[in-house]
Amino acid sequence: EVQLVESGGDLVQPGGTLRLSCAASGFTFSAYTMSWVRQAPGKGLEWVSTISASGGSTYFADSVKGRFTISRDNSKNTLYLQMNSLRAEDTAVYYCAKSGSKGYYFDSWGQGSLVTVSS
Amino acid sequence: EIVMTQSPATLSVSPGERATLSCRASQSIRSNLAWYQQKAGQAPRLLIYGASTRATGIPTRFSGSGSGTEFTLTISSLQSEDFAVYYCQQYNDWLMYTFGQGTRLDIK
Repeated sequence: EVQLVESGGDLVQPGGTLRLSCAASGFTFSAYTMSWVRQAPGKGLEWVSTISASGGSTYFADSVKGRFTISRDNSKNTLYLQMNSLRAEDTAVYYCAKSGSKGYYFDSWGQGSLVTVSS
Repeated sequence: EIVMTQSPATLSVSPGERATLSCRASQSIRSNLAWYQQKAGQAPRLLIYGASTRATGIPTRFSGSGSGTEFTLTISSLQSEDFAVYYCQQYNDWLMYTFGQGTRLDIK
């Protein structure tokens, strides 16, 4: 059974930094593209970032480009999201998501980690 | 950026009845469309990918159709556990994945 467990969410001041982690199990982590998707309180879903299976390629939504970094450690089956220069509009639940085998949909999701940016 | 528009925003249906949810893309996305179900306080769950292929473990009462710009999710006979928010997502636009704003399915 695929399991994705996020951690690292917290209350942080505007301009601050935070790193989220996602521990994966139940599948061959190193074989799959992984992503982060976020959901602001009471709002819809927004794709944030994607990293290739090897970690050699990374992609970001315009809203976070230049501020967020995605990485992975395939030896530890763990995905990361480094968030810098945080803004109030980054407040959201951040989900770790595994890509499907037949396209860039998301076939498994973690339970989410809440990031609150506020002074 | 491809804009995904879902309608209606809220749909009220009685248990046992059929529900039809719509999703429209601002340009052709071929069949690169997924549907997700999200219950309050939970993560989204994949229902459909490739516009019409059910994900593993999804009941047959869920079906998807469409291609190009017009898509439909049909739930043939609503069960109590189906009342939730449903999102469509396009993955045709390389690394600019976008979601619809969601349709809330309420008990009538």
